Amino acid sequence: DAGVIQSPRHEVTEMGQEVTLRCKPISGHDYLFWYRQTMMRGLELLIYFNNNVPIDDSGMPEDRFSAKMPNASFSTLKIQPSEPRDSAVYFCASSLGDRAPSGANVLTFGAGSRLTVL
Amino acid sequence: DQQVKQNSPSLSVQEGRISILNCDYTNSMFDYFLWYKKYPAEGPTFLISISSIKDKNEDGRFTVFLNKSAKHLSLHIVPSQPGDSAVYFCALRPYSSNTGKLIFGQGTTLQVKP
Repeated sequence: DAGVIQSPRHEVTEMGQEVTLRCKPISGHDYLFWYRQTMMRGLELLIYFNNNVPIDDSGMPEDRFSAKMPNASFSTLKIQPSEPRDSAVYFCASSLGDRAPSGANVLTFGAGSRLTVL
Repeated sequence: DQQVKQNSPSLSVQEGRISILNCDYTNSMFDYFLWYKKYPAEGPTFLISISSIKDKNEDGRFTVFLNKSAKHLSLHIVPSQPGDSAVYFCALRPYSSNTGKLIFGQGTTLQVKP
């Protein structure tokens, strides 16, 4: 398996522009997560899906952020309009949930999308 | 309000010595405690975990200690190697969260000098 695949790896945009980040989870994983990494807050959970259905979006910072999962193999995180404070690394991760062999339900992360909003 | 804190942003140790990374949390509503390692330009990868019913778990050079009364988690790396240089995140799983949802700390950057 190629693991969790994210695109683009780097995105530089200007304030006010729309940004779309993409994720392909590991085949067979029921759960998909979007995290954001910043220096101050570390890794913050933005939203997660179970079987393509959004379960908890309480971490989404504002209405400017939205996420979708139209099918089991694809998810997007959209920021519209983008602002400089959105600059961060955005990670997608997937997991087997309670079907995982260990009790800790380890997450598998993608390589991340580094977003810079000027 | 940060439920999980890694108070040391960075740590530098000499090759062959012990590295100790620390993590503190503010409530007792977690049943699994994990450590992830992250190299530059890569995503975090799972390293080691411990259940709340244990106080120690060992995997080769890596040992995780859990002190529930102090709400403190630590990762020991012995002996440290230059390839261990990375950012280390502690992560906590809330009780009954069988989804993989984790709460992460801010991370500690470890540098192991040859």
